[in-house]
Amino acid sequence: DADVTQTPRNRITKTGKRIMLECSQTKGHDRMYWYRQDPGLGLRLIYYSFDVKDINKGEISDGYSVSRQAQAKFSLSLESAIPNQTALYFCATSDLRDRDSKTQYFGPGTRLLVL
Amino acid sequence: DQQVKQNSPSLSVQEGRISILNCDYTNSMFDYFLWYKKYPAEGPTFLISISSIKDKNEDGRFTVFLNKSAKHLSLHIVPSQPGDSAVYFCAASWGPYGSGNTGKLIFGQGTTLQVKP
Repeated sequence: DADVTQTPRNRITKTGKRIMLECSQTKGHDRMYWYRQDPGLGLRLIYYSFDVKDINKGEISDGYSVSRQAQAKFSLSLESAIPNQTALYFCATSDLRDRDSKTQYFGPGTRLLVL
Repeated sequence: DQQVKQNSPSLSVQEGRISILNCDYTNSMFDYFLWYKKYPAEGPTFLISISSIKDKNEDGRFTVFLNKSAKHLSLHIVPSQPGDSAVYFCAASWGPYGSGNTGKLIFGQGTTLQVKP
């Protein structure tokens, strides 16, 4: 589903480097989320945004920051990458108007390796 | 504190048989549950959901059952097909639209299903 895109798809970086992961969506959804997936831990919420002026921390926000540049764009930054941030990162969207559902729609993911 | 748990990391079934994936939760405030399927190198895709006012929801070969007293839900796939081989995540949410919790999902660890031809 190309409605939610993530760049880059794969990234290798070194400890201490700053890195940005980008997410764009064409669904017209107002809500956007960043998750990370680690083996045996499922998906955990890093940050979420209900609109351009609303940014909220998730359960594991330490070491991360986000920017909601527009309704369609939500970026995740690692200011100083560390090896335990090696993970699979997913962006997701949901629609406030969809009142009967809390379904989120995911991008294809970014695989990040921090050396 | 894992509020949503999938205690079976993997499951293997024969093609044509039933696959049953289980999920337990601890937070009685959860009122909406979802199942996602994930193939390698792809993002999770929505499969089926159920509101806490129901105890069953069916969509083709997929049925989700909810037992609120036991805080347990299960996904049944009948008949299982090799293309169903994937990682399955259950997720839970709570709160009506307009509350600060709306839209947030809590995921389980995932169960890898292998359907053998």
